[in-house]
Amino acid sequence: DAMVIQNPRYQVTQFGKPVTLSCSQTLNHNVMYWYQQKSSQAPKLLFHYYDKDFNNEADTPDNFQSRRPNTSFCFLDIRSPGLGDAAMYLCATSRVRGGRDTQYFGPGTRLTVL
Amino acid sequence: KNQVEQSPQSLIILEGKNCTLQCNYTVSPFSNLRWYKQDTGRGPVSLTIMTFSENTKSNGRYTATLDADTKQSSLHITASQLSDSASYICVVGGNTGKLIFGQGTTLQVKP
Repeated sequence: DAMVIQNPRYQVTQFGKPVTLSCSQTLNHNVMYWYQQKSSQAPKLLFHYYDKDFNNEADTPDNFQSRRPNTSFCFLDIRSPGLGDAAMYLCATSRVRGGRDTQYFGPGTRLTVL
Repeated sequence: KNQVEQSPQSLIILEGKNCTLQCNYTVSPFSNLRWYKQDTGRGPVSLTIMTFSENTKSNGRYTATLDADTKQSSLHITASQLSDSASYICVVGGNTGKLIFGQGTTLQVKP
């Protein structure tokens, strides 16, 4: 059974055209994360929510925004995608921050920017 | 600087053979170390997670070791299968909950 679901799996957008990626979870976890992973690179944390508390990484561009309307859903909004934003976007969840808690990743959304 | 370094960068082995992947880290303070398997085009899947007091943790044919004194970990894969072909990522968690990812080792298992 899918626990962390990401939609769509593949997204094509045009340069500068806003795009929204979706993540949902059935684990009832408090923490949800968004990562950006470029080819052959490690995932890079963009931001995370601890419940409704939003935590932005210092080097995340303003072009990236996030919304978490409820426990189950979290969205990644890219306001004006550039060619450099083409990447795999991974959503992950964990029950709590820190400690021994495992992060469960979704299958990812691969974003192509034309 | 908090860093996680993995070696080798890539590895090719024959089906049925064993292999060992290495991970060195400089993350401080240290909370835990995780190994993830990431198939091409998929999200990472957790294999093992260890705290500083654990020396070894197994998950089927995967066995992870941790030496918190030398800040080294290894992932040993026994009797490799074609489905083991993937990237293996070492991830270290600090006490703040932030994860530091290694660049991964790409393993290719050939028949």
